[in-house]
Amino acid sequence: QSALTQPASVSGSPGQSITISCTGTSSDVGGYNYVSWYQQHPGKAPKLMIYEVSNRPSGVSNRFSGSKSGNTASLTISGLQAEDEADYYCYSYRSGRPASFVFGTGTRVTAL
Amino acid sequence: EVQLVESGGGLVQPGGSLRLSCAASGFTFGTYWMTWVRQAPGKGLEWVANIKQDESEKYYGDSVRGRFTVSRDNAQNSLFLQMNSLRDEDTAIYYCARDTGKYCTDYWGQGTLVTVSS
Repeated sequence: QSALTQPASVSGSPGQSITISCTGTSSDVGGYNYVSWYQQHPGKAPKLMIYEVSNRPSGVSNRFSGSKSGNTASLTISGLQAEDEADYYCYSYRSGRPASFVFGTGTRVTAL
Repeated sequence: EVQLVESGGGLVQPGGSLRLSCAASGFTFGTYWMTWVRQAPGKGLEWVANIKQDESEKYYGDSVRGRFTVSRDNAQNSLFLQMNSLRDEDTAIYYCARDTGKYCTDYWGQGTLVTVSS
């Protein structure tokens, strides 16, 4: 099972906006609106930040937003803060026989 | 408060077996799909398996299919992962997570470490 492709690292200055991409295929990211995003701080369990491409769970800051175009989904963090420094993973349903789920390769976000 | 607590991890030799458990509380366990995810040391997340509420559907990642079996006991609010024919590359922290019903997971346990080594 090949992972979805994400940049290894993205950085920005505090207050800036950054965007993380997540590229898949028409069997996963491009074929369904079942893309979610997770934030993981070192030594901690992942936290759901976005589901179904662009929906935010209750309690997640509105500085986090998601979108999709074709086979690529994106997570944008607006007004970057030091606390946003973490690893971010996309996650998608993948059709097939059998169906499955797949994570992205992960992106380390750094606030310079 | 939703809580998921994994247990059963430890050191096992290649070719050996281990059974992980996940104790759930704070929600109606039997009404949710559940998922196992793992993370090798210093590596990314990998989806392992998930299971439907009544165990009628189970799905596995390619790397574990045929060796791992996911099951659950709704009466005991527990999720299990039976791992056989373990390999070095199965070394990881194993997390259990609750599926939201929207093809993602919202609550995760703290994880249990499985180390496969001779």
